[in-house]
Amino acid sequence: LAKTTQPISMDSYEGQEVNITCSHNNIATNDYITWYQQFPSQGPRFIIQGYKTKVTNEVASLFIPADRKSSTLSLPRVSLSDTAVYYCLVGDGDGNNRLAFGKGNQVVVIP
Amino acid sequence: GAVVSQHPSRVICKSGTSVKIECRSLDFQATTMFWYRQFPKQSLMLMATSNEGSKATYEQGVEKDKFLINHASLTLSTLTVTSAHPEDSSFYICSARSGLAGGVEQYFGPGTRLTVT
Repeated sequence: LAKTTQPISMDSYEGQEVNITCSHNNIATNDYITWYQQFPSQGPRFIIQGYKTKVTNEVASLFIPADRKSSTLSLPRVSLSDTAVYYCLVGDGDGNNRLAFGKGNQVVVIP
Repeated sequence: GAVVSQHPSRVICKSGTSVKIECRSLDFQATTMFWYRQFPKQSLMLMATSNEGSKATYEQGVEKDKFLINHASLTLSTLTVTSAHPEDSSFYICSARSGLAGGVEQYFGPGTRLTVT
C-alpha cells in the first residue's frame, strides 16, 4: 500500500484559510488521492478526491502538482468545528482500493 | 447518499465471549467492504477486505480465525470477534466502496466501540 506523510499537527485561527500538505512519493499511475476528516469516536468523513491538477467542491480544494508526489488540501475560512484529524490517502490501484491510513494531521482551530 | 451504518454503536462483553458487528450500506450496493481497527490516539489500521460472495482477504498479522468476516450480500458485511480478550478492545470501523466507475471513494460507518472486560 502506498504510504503518505503529513505534518503531525497544526494550529490555525478561526476564519483563516488552512492548507494541509501530504507527501506520497510512491503513488502509482492509477492511484487517486483522497482526503478524509475524522472527529473523535466517529468514522472518517470523505472530503475530496482527485487525480491531478485541481479539484474543488463545496467544502475544500485539492491541489495536485504534475508529478503527483504530493498534494495540498485547502480549507477556506475554517471554523472551530473544523478541528479534527485530516488524513490523506492514496488508493493502491489494484481495483479493490485498499487504503493505508497514515498518522494524519491534527488541525486545531483557535478562536 | 452514500450512507454506511454500523450496529451496535458500542458493546461491552466479557472475556472469552464472541461479538458480532454489522456494517450496512443503506443507499448503495457495496461490492467491496473494508474493516478497520483504531486504538486511542492512533490511526486506522486496515484489518481485512471483503468482497460479496467470496472469502475476505486479511492484512498481514490479522488472525482470520479470530476476526470472522462474512459479506453475504451487497449491502451487509459482518465482523465477529471470537473469544474476545481485553486487548481486542478498540474502535472498529467499516467502510464500503460502491464500485461505480470514475471514482474510488470509500464511505465509512460511524464505528463500533468494543470493550472487553
